[in-house]
Amino acid sequence: AQSVTQLDSHVSVSEGTPVLLRCNYSSSYSPSLFWYVQHPNKGLQLLLKYTSAATLVKGINGFEAEFKKSETSFHLTKPSAHMSDAAEYFCVVSVRSQGNLIFGKGTKLSVKP
Amino acid sequence: NAGVTQTPKFRILKIGQSMTLQCTQDMNHNYMYWYRQDPGMGLKLIYYSVGAGITDKGEVPNGYNVSRSTTEDFPLRLELAAPSQTSVYFCASSYSGTGSAYEQYFGPGTRLTVT
Repeated sequence: AQSVTQLDSHVSVSEGTPVLLRCNYSSSYSPSLFWYVQHPNKGLQLLLKYTSAATLVKGINGFEAEFKKSETSFHLTKPSAHMSDAAEYFCVVSVRSQGNLIFGKGTKLSVKP
Repeated sequence: NAGVTQTPKFRILKIGQSMTLQCTQDMNHNYMYWYRQDPGMGLKLIYYSVGAGITDKGEVPNGYNVSRSTTEDFPLRLELAAPSQTSVYFCASSYSGTGSAYEQYFGPGTRLTVT
């Protein structure tokens, strides 16, 4: 069965410091993996996606994620946090045999000035 | 190009009332989805549709109904509202289905409170 675990429910960083949001997945198939961001009272926006091409995926707003099959991980990183990055981030796996995405519980990112 | 639109943005229902959440997409996507998001949780799939006239249950379908008469519209119906249905509801659409590279595009959400 497919599942997603986001290892931190809340991450707090200072502006200008690196961001690391951790995600592990479990999938019986070669997965498609996504990171979505949700700003307060807004819908979800796609940050980046992994689709079995390059293992290092670059997304919008300077974010990137690396697919590591041996570690079943898909961690999201950014070299330097900006105040506008404060939001909730969801790691998501696409389920091949069903019509849905499996969402992690989310990681809330706070950015301190 | 409006993407995925949802109405209403907010709604308060009394227990036992009924309502329909509207969802429309203008991207000619075949697949459409309804999710609910409870506090501190990720999204859970209620229903989805792979095309006009075809719908199927997701993870949490009880208490809801859907229809898909056109490619553009995918309304979600709550027949007898219960407090457990207090949540934020998101509609989404995608060009293709799961296991593919086609990401889902989300609407802004409907915040529903049942009292």
